[in-house]
Amino acid sequence: GNSVTQMEGPVTLSEEAFLTINCTYTATGYPSLFWYVQYPGEGLQLLLKATKADDKGSNKGFEATYRKETTSFHLEKGSVQVSDSAVYFCAPTSQGGSEKLVFGKGTKLTVNP
Amino acid sequence: DTGVSQNPRHKITKRGQNVTFRCDPISEHNRLYWYRQTLGQGPEFLTYFQNEAQLEKSRLLSDRFSAERPKGSFSTLEIQRTEQGDSAMYLCASSPDRISYEQYFGPGTRLTVT
Repeated sequence: GNSVTQMEGPVTLSEEAFLTINCTYTATGYPSLFWYVQYPGEGLQLLLKATKADDKGSNKGFEATYRKETTSFHLEKGSVQVSDSAVYFCAPTSQGGSEKLVFGKGTKLTVNP
Repeated sequence: DTGVSQNPRHKITKRGQNVTFRCDPISEHNRLYWYRQTLGQGPEFLTYFQNEAQLEKSRLLSDRFSAERPKGSFSTLEIQRTEQGDSAMYLCASSPDRISYEQYFGPGTRLTVT
């Protein structure tokens, strides 16, 4: 099945710094790609998605572009805030039309004031 | 839209006991998914339903695990003869359709097996 590799954490940044969290996947076919975020003490929330090559997903200042040629879906934000501190998960759908999501291990982000 | 709800939120049980968790999906979502998350890891897929039909099961779902969605609304996940390795967060998600693949997660049920 499909698999995903996420940048190892933890990542610690100062407020207003630029954020990149790398995500690459192996896939047969054309999976849909998602980023989920888990704030402390809360459940997983859908952050953004992209469903075909060159699509850009965006939400709350975060962006990620579906790069088929490099099988990547890196998460970026131009200026992080303390409130962005959370664990971020990259998740493609699985192969063969399966609807299950295949999650990476997650990247913990801490933003200091 | 009240979101996906799960009960109980926490469950502590002794090894060998049976436990059952419940998930109520977002109203009118016909797809429902179960995942398991252990500390420091991403969620792992267990099974999913389209309406009342269980369409896919992971190899992680041993014969001690069973899931049902009898009327295509809420779902239950039962673990029989619990083991310490079953300690994890059990997550439920629902989705409105196949087209978007968007899954909306509940808060989870944390199981501790002593």
